[in-house]
Amino acid sequence: KAGVTQTPRYLIKTRGQQVTLSCSPISGHRSVSWYQQTPGQGLQFLFEYFSETQRNKGNFPGRFSGRQFSNSRSEMNVSTLELGDSALYLCASSVGQGAGEQFFGPGTRLTVL
Amino acid sequence: GENVEQHPSTLSVQEGDSAVIKCTYSDSASNYFPWYKQELGKRPQLIIDIRSNVGEKKDQRIAVTLNKTAKHFSLHITETQPEDSAVYFCADPDTGRRALTFGSGTRLQVQP
Repeated sequence: KAGVTQTPRYLIKTRGQQVTLSCSPISGHRSVSWYQQTPGQGLQFLFEYFSETQRNKGNFPGRFSGRQFSNSRSEMNVSTLELGDSALYLCASSVGQGAGEQFFGPGTRLTVL
Repeated sequence: GENVEQHPSTLSVQEGDSAVIKCTYSDSASNYFPWYKQELGKRPQLIIDIRSNVGEKKDQRIAVTLNKTAKHFSLHITETQPEDSAVYFCADPDTGRRALTFGSGTRLQVQP
């Protein structure tokens, strides 16, 4: 079974721009969660999608949004980028909704200049 | 689930020694406690987990113990090897949001 994939792997943007990241879960997994990882803040939960609906949301501003498609692939979008948005963005998929075993993708490293 | 405290933040041991990392949680309804290992430049991967109906689980050199009364769970690595060097994260399911809340991570360095 193929693992979780994320594209692109690296991205450089400038302040004020927007960015869209993509995540393809393991086949058969219906839940996709997104996390932001920074050296100072660790792994911070952004949101979770299940069956095309956002089920949970972390404490991030409205500039961070996402969606899930009928094939369970998910995208997250960050608008009006700030320097502090530079981070590794990880997605994780699981079979069901909620806090079961999660399988992480390799991440997208976003650098905002 | 909203508060998971992990200690220590860094841990250095000699090869062959044991390493213990501890996490404290606040939600008494939590019932699933995983540990993830993240090697440098790689994705986090689940290494062991435990459910609240057992007190200990072992898998070769790693074990997790759970103390529900004190609301803490610990990762134990015995006979450490250099390849155990990584950042380890505990996680606690936020039963309200039904999402995982991760600890701040422990950087383990095993000195050969």
